Amino acid sequence: EAQVTQNPRYLITVTGKKLTVTCSQNMNHEYMSWYRQDPGLGLRQIYYSMNVEVTDKGDVPEGYKVSRKEKRNFPLILESPSPNQTSLYFCASSPGTNTEAFFGQGTRLTVV
Amino acid sequence: GDSVTQMEGPVTLSEEAFLTINCTYTATGYPSLFWYVQYPGEGLQLLLKATKADDKGSNKGFEATYRKETTSFHLEKGSVQVSDSAVYFCALRHSGGYNKLIFGAGTRLAVHP
Repeated sequence: EAQVTQNPRYLITVTGKKLTVTCSQNMNHEYMSWYRQDPGLGLRQIYYSMNVEVTDKGDVPEGYKVSRKEKRNFPLILESPSPNQTSLYFCASSPGTNTEAFFGQGTRLTVV
Repeated sequence: GDSVTQMEGPVTLSEEAFLTINCTYTATGYPSLFWYVQYPGEGLQLLLKATKADDKGSNKGFEATYRKETTSFHLEKGSVQVSDSAVYFCALRHSGGYNKLIFGAGTRLAVHP
């Protein structure tokens, strides 16, 4: 089954403790993105990747890092999480620039 | 910059009622327009799309027409069901924009029997 898989689905952590949210897609897509969803703001892009080793900032990149060492994986790294990063995070992938984006099921992160 | 504005929710309807969720956008050029749906506890799924002016996207009884003159992409359904209860997001994407989607705030729809 074609899908985008994120882990974990839920995470509660403390301020400053490094964490990684994994994202994997099995569709051989070139493009992958991370979004955060906040009430009243919709989804905002954090980082995106156009191919292996090619990444760039989205609209809200501060406090986040990403890597794209393999085509299928695009982990999101929070080196020192803060409470304002409490949010619902979505990974998405797509085969091209003008094609449908496929979303993962989301990761609900709470930073206390 | 580009932006998408959706009507605020929640929208509460009885089963078989007519649904309209308004969406307007601000963008340069000719973006593609989308409606995504998020069911409880799930990720976003593409509901329908339109890539040029006057295109009508349709799926599962939902429709939306790309109106460049009014910069709108309103979502409609003639007869909603309880199973349509979800959050609906309007979004736009520029061609060549590295596939970045710009989303509206989302509109929660609750349909009661």
